[in-house]
Amino acid sequence: EAQVTQNPRYLITVTGKKLTVTCSQNMNHEYMSWYRQDPGLGLRQIYYSMNVEVTDKGDVPEGYKVSRKEKRNFPLILESPSPNQTSLYFCASSFWQDGYGYTFGSGTRLTVV
Amino acid sequence: EDKVVQSPLSLVVHEGDTVTLNCSYEVTNFRSLLWYKQEKKAPTFLFMLTSSGIEKKSGRLSSILDKKELFSILNITATQTGDSAVYLCAVEAGYALNFGKGTSLLVTP
Repeated sequence: EAQVTQNPRYLITVTGKKLTVTCSQNMNHEYMSWYRQDPGLGLRQIYYSMNVEVTDKGDVPEGYKVSRKEKRNFPLILESPSPNQTSLYFCASSFWQDGYGYTFGSGTRLTVV
Repeated sequence: EDKVVQSPLSLVVHEGDTVTLNCSYEVTNFRSLLWYKQEKKAPTFLFMLTSSGIEKKSGRLSSILDKKELFSILNITATQTGDSAVYLCAVEAGYALNFGKGTSLLVTP
C-alpha cells in the first residue's frame, strides 16, 4: 500500500532532550516536506526537500533540522526541544510534476514539557 | 510574503444544504492550488487545480480556479453529516506549499 509512515504517533518529552521524528514513503516520491499544525495558525511548512541531499527552509524552520540521505526517508530533528514546539507534525510527499497532490503521514503529536 | 486566506472560518449547515467555501491567494511563482479535507487526522487530497475556469468534480464536490482574480471555490452539494470536517486550501508557490487556516464545516442532521 502506498503510504507515508511517521513515527512515533505520540511523544511526550522534556525540554532540551534531542529527539527525531521519522518519516518514510514507499512511492519513490522526489519531494518530501514537514509541517506543523497549531490551533488558529493552520499548517505551516518547516522544511522541504526536492531530492536526496537537497533541502530548504519553509516558513518556520527555527529549532528544527532535517536530512535527506535516502530518497524514501526524511527525518525531522529537534536538537533542543522547547515547549513552543509542542504541536501536531505532519510529513508529506509527492511527485513534483504530477497532478495528484501530496500524500500525508498520520501525524505525530509532540508535547514538550 | 505569500498569503492564502480562506473564508468563512466556520460554517454550520443542515443536511441537504449546498455550501461554498472560498480561498483567495497572493503568492509568487504560482504552480497549483489544492484542496484537502481533514477529519481529526491527516489531510486527505480532494482536488488539484492549475488552470483557470476548468471545473473539477468528484461526486457532490466540485472546485474551480480563477487565476485572474486569484481565488478558488469548493462547492459541496446535498451535504451529509459525513462532510463535517476542516477543509484546507493550499497553494504551491515555487517549491513551497502554503496553507490557509481552513474552514470548519459542521453538517447537522
